[in-house]
Amino acid sequence: RKEVEQDPGPFNVPEGATVAFNCTYSNSASQSFFWYRQDCRKEPKLLMSVYSSGNEDGRFTAQLNRASQYISLLIRDSKLSDSATYLCVVNKLMDSSYKLIFGSGTRLLVRP
Amino acid sequence: EAGVVQSPRYKIIEKKQPVAFWCNPISGHNTLYWYLQNLGQGPELLIRYENEEAVDDSQLPKDRFSAERLKGVDSTLKIQPAELGDSAVYLCASSSHSGGARNEQFFGPGTRLTVL
Repeated sequence: RKEVEQDPGPFNVPEGATVAFNCTYSNSASQSFFWYRQDCRKEPKLLMSVYSSGNEDGRFTAQLNRASQYISLLIRDSKLSDSATYLCVVNKLMDSSYKLIFGSGTRLLVRP
Repeated sequence: EAGVVQSPRYKIIEKKQPVAFWCNPISGHNTLYWYLQNLGQGPELLIRYENEEAVDDSQLPKDRFSAERLKGVDSTLKIQPAELGDSAVYLCASSSHSGGARNEQFFGPGTRLTVL
């Protein structure tokens, strides 16, 4: 079983829709979490950081459920430019320092 | 503020040849990472530097891969000899937080390696 699991998608939604991705992680000691966005043939870019129960930034909301060990990303009012792969990332404590563990990503396609 | 710079962006070599990648992190970021990303997968850590010290190289295949960060700024990653399975994107990232809970990392554009 992978340490960070995501539905690969693709999620195909119309402009203006609300879409949510879930991500589950296996290490209960993980302290912090991130969502990165990666466009095709580009580098991952930090979208949101989650240090407590959640975070909100405009149309994007991340929520953390430590008891069930999952993180979600909600995108409201989807734009064509939101089409990308969204990487769920867990900051795992290993040997007294932290290490990012990436999921394989969820692909989002927003259609006109 | 300039981001993480990597070169070359693309590299095509024949198997058994050597190859090197270069990275310049964001100014002031003491922590530098090299990742490998295969198609359809997330990045996987190869090595982490704190200034010039390699503090986590447990995932670096040391028989053919090597890295250095001599002055604690720029870094190079080398593969010698390259194998077909090394074809991937090699990403460099940097952070101002030393592997802590606030481990926000910023990535360069990557080097896309193709081994023929």
